[in-house]
Amino acid sequence: AQSVSQHNHHVILSEAASLELGCNYSYGGTVNLFWYVQYPGQHLQLLLKYFSGDPLVKGIKGFEAEFIKSKFSFNLRKPSVQWSDTAEYFCAVSLSGGSYIPTFGRGTSLIVHP
Amino acid sequence: KAGVTQTPRYLIKTRGQQVTLSCSPISGHRSVSWYQQTPGQGLQFLFEYFSETQRNKGNFPGRFSGRQFSNSRSEMNVSTLELGDSALYLCASSGGTGRTEAFFGQGTRLTVV
Repeated sequence: AQSVSQHNHHVILSEAASLELGCNYSYGGTVNLFWYVQYPGQHLQLLLKYFSGDPLVKGIKGFEAEFIKSKFSFNLRKPSVQWSDTAEYFCAVSLSGGSYIPTFGRGTSLIVHP
Repeated sequence: KAGVTQTPRYLIKTRGQQVTLSCSPISGHRSVSWYQQTPGQGLQFLFEYFSETQRNKGNFPGRFSGRQFSNSRSEMNVSTLELGDSALYLCASSGGTGRTEAFFGQGTRLTVV
């Protein structure tokens, strides 16, 4: 069964700092990759997704992620975080051509200090 | 279009009771998945229904069950509640085929006392 690992469980940054959240998955086949964000008190929202094509994916609110197939990684980045980016971030993977059910990582709690 | 709607938003139940949660997916979506979210464990997949049939199932005990109706609305039932069932239960809907992402509801916060 596939699994998803998020290396950073808690990240604390100051505004304007750069962000990189790690995500690795275990499955070696063709995958679909996602990053979701959950702001305090709100529902999970899709930040960005990768199905195929350009491995550098741009999402909403200035986030981007890079798919590196050889490393089974899909790290999330943002050059300059804002206080409003304080949230929980989840990486998810689904099997392309499979059940389409995404498997989620345990999440990374990001706190941005103003 | 309207998003995924889950009811109720909050529930408090006593150990041993049973509970039913409801989810209305986005119009046109045929797949509904349920997840349990707890601090430190992330989202654990419970099951998925597609066109009224359970298509996928996670590693949860038989006390957790679900069903889907012809209008794609889904219900999740938990019988003989335990304290450890306290969690946020999330419903996600998607087209269920091809490359698609899941859209989540706001969840039902279940507290078992």
